[in-house]
Amino acid sequence: GQNIDQPTEMTATEGAIVQINCTYQTSGFNGLFWYQQHAGEAPTFLSYNVLDGLEEKGRFSSFLSRSKGYSYLLLKELQMKDSASYLCATMDSNYQLIWGAGTKLIIKP
Amino acid sequence: GAVVSQHPSRVICKSGTSVKIECRSLDFQATTMFWYRQFPKKSLMLMATSNEGSKATYEQGVEKDKFLINHASLTLSTLTVTSAHPEDSSFYICSSRQGDTEAFFGQGTRLTVV
Repeated sequence: GQNIDQPTEMTATEGAIVQINCTYQTSGFNGLFWYQQHAGEAPTFLSYNVLDGLEEKGRFSSFLSRSKGYSYLLLKELQMKDSASYLCATMDSNYQLIWGAGTKLIIKP
Repeated sequence: GAVVSQHPSRVICKSGTSVKIECRSLDFQATTMFWYRQFPKKSLMLMATSNEGSKATYEQGVEKDKFLINHASLTLSTLTVTSAHPEDSSFYICSSRQGDTEAFFGQGTRLTVV
């Protein structure tokens, strides 16, 4: 079956670094996405990984290991506005997105 | 990035009435659009895949007659919730992709059925 696991909730301090993990099992693999979703709003795109390794984009970085079915999103220099849910999603062999339940990130001053 | 516009952002309707949600791709041709439903603190749930000029493909468990999808043009797809009931209250989001990578989302519609 297809399954994506990520922690339900995480707490971090403003200015610190946090890593949100995502493990997956899907039918075929055509890439992994990370999205940010603030409460009551639609998700916004953060990153896309299809090859192994680390992709860095400003304060956010995303890592993928296809052999381990594992990804993480790394957020540096945390700001209060980073408080949101972070959704991990994979694209299967039919190019359909399979979504995780999301990780609620709480940033404390 | 590409822009997908979804309206209305919020709607309150009486039980038994129908509600239409529009999703427009403003700067690209969207041959395929996806309709999702999201319950509080839950993942996005794919309801159906809408293809321009043809019938939508519904996911298992989604009632075709209740959630009518029309994709009449390359820039517009609509979702109509017919005979809405309180259990249909949810956050509905449309999405489209350019190629096989990034998905672009509409702003979402918060539907409340009273």
